[in-house]
Amino acid sequence: DTEVTQTPKHLVMGMTNKKSLKCEQHMGHRAMYWYKQKAKKPPELMFVYSYEKLSINESVPSRFSPECPNSSLLNLHLHALQPEDSALYLCASSDSNYGYTFGSGTRLTVV
Amino acid sequence: QKEVEQDPGPLSVPEGAIVSLNCTYSNSAFQYFMWYRQYSRKGPELLMYTYSSGNKEDGRFTAQVDKSSKYISLFIRDSQPSDSATYLCAMSAEYGGATNKLIFGTGTLLAVQP
Repeated sequence: DTEVTQTPKHLVMGMTNKKSLKCEQHMGHRAMYWYKQKAKKPPELMFVYSYEKLSINESVPSRFSPECPNSSLLNLHLHALQPEDSALYLCASSDSNYGYTFGSGTRLTVV
Repeated sequence: QKEVEQDPGPLSVPEGAIVSLNCTYSNSAFQYFMWYRQYSRKGPELLMYTYSSGNKEDGRFTAQVDKSSKYISLFIRDSQPSDSATYLCAMSAEYGGATNKLIFGTGTLLAVQP
């Protein structure tokens, strides 16, 4: 299995909702990442997990809460988001500087 | 100044053309250089990678890195309509995932006209 699977593919949520994005990989990669990508912009790093521990938080607002339950799973919990948080949220995993594998992303719309 | 700059902007070429995409960077600590291709509504897909300076060829694609000039390039020969996508350069300084950051360029939207 050489894929990173993200669910759901699309999500529409209200500003008072709580939702979660899920990411799964079975390549044995020890680092997992959340990126945010706005339209016509490059991906921007949000969080890095290494060996299931949070190692980088790029000053992301607390309404985004990451979680790594085990070495194959990565979640992003969303609460009280703003319309400007609408974007494509990408999960990636890596076991080296070359081996970044990205999922297809969750397209999030906040209404 | 952004850490990684990419040009050209949106690019439209006829089928069969040679395409040249470029990135410049300011952080001399970058050692790992990658090119990603991203189709519309999909995640980035790794195309090429190089470590430090040098050239690497894979089929119709050639990646070049010149660390002395802080400049990397991707060449696409005999471009095809299926190459139409956004191309992103990316680079990082460290090995491993603990403190690793992959920094992307701004991307070039390429359209290859049949």
